[in-house]
Amino acid sequence: EVQLVESGGGFVQPGGSLRLSCAASGFTFHIHAMSWVRQAPGKGLEWVSCLSGSGYGTYYADSVKGRFTISRDNSKNTLYLQMNSLRAEDTASYYCAQGGHRYSGFELDSWGQGTLVAVS
Amino acid sequence: DVVLTQSPLSLPVTLGQPASVSCRSSQSLVSSDGNTYLSWFHQRPGQSPGRLIYKVSGRDSGVPDRFSGSGSGTDFTLKISRVEAEDVGVYYCMQGTHWPPTFGGGTKVEIK
Repeated sequence: EVQLVESGGGFVQPGGSLRLSCAASGFTFHIHAMSWVRQAPGKGLEWVSCLSGSGYGTYYADSVKGRFTISRDNSKNTLYLQMNSLRAEDTASYYCAQGGHRYSGFELDSWGQGTLVAVS
Repeated sequence: DVVLTQSPLSLPVTLGQPASVSCRSSQSLVSSDGNTYLSWFHQRPGQSPGRLIYKVSGRDSGVPDRFSGSGSGTDFTLKISRVEAEDVGVYYCMQGTHWPPTFGGGTKVEIK
């Protein structure tokens, strides 16, 4: 069974930084692209970032480009999202999701339970 | 970016009755590889989204057969043949054909 467990969320002041982690299990992590999707309180879903299985191909939404960095450690089956220069509008639950190929049809399979980031 | 417009925004339904959610795209979602990357997700209150349907009509493992997806080009529909209490929540469509991937605004399904 695929399991994705996010951690690292919390309260941070504007301009601050946070690093989110997503521990994956139940599938062959290194062959899957992975993504981050966020949801502001009471709002809809917004794709944030994704990267290839190797970690060499990384992609970002315009709203976070230059501030967020996605990465992975395939030896630890873990996905990361380094968030810098945080703004109030980054306040959201952040979900880790399996999938997200840039060049072969973008699909998201399993999702984690999410971690809340509050910028205030 | 591709805009996905869902309707209705809110859908009160009676248990045991059918329900239908529409998702219309600002561009055709047929990919150059011949596939149409249109998915449907269900988010129950307080939970993370879970995928129901992929590539327009493929039902994910464990999803009840009362859920079905259809459509082509720019118009897509999620149907629930007989609504059950556990089906409440918000339904989102997502396109993965054009970059960047985008979601519809959501349709909230509630029991009358």
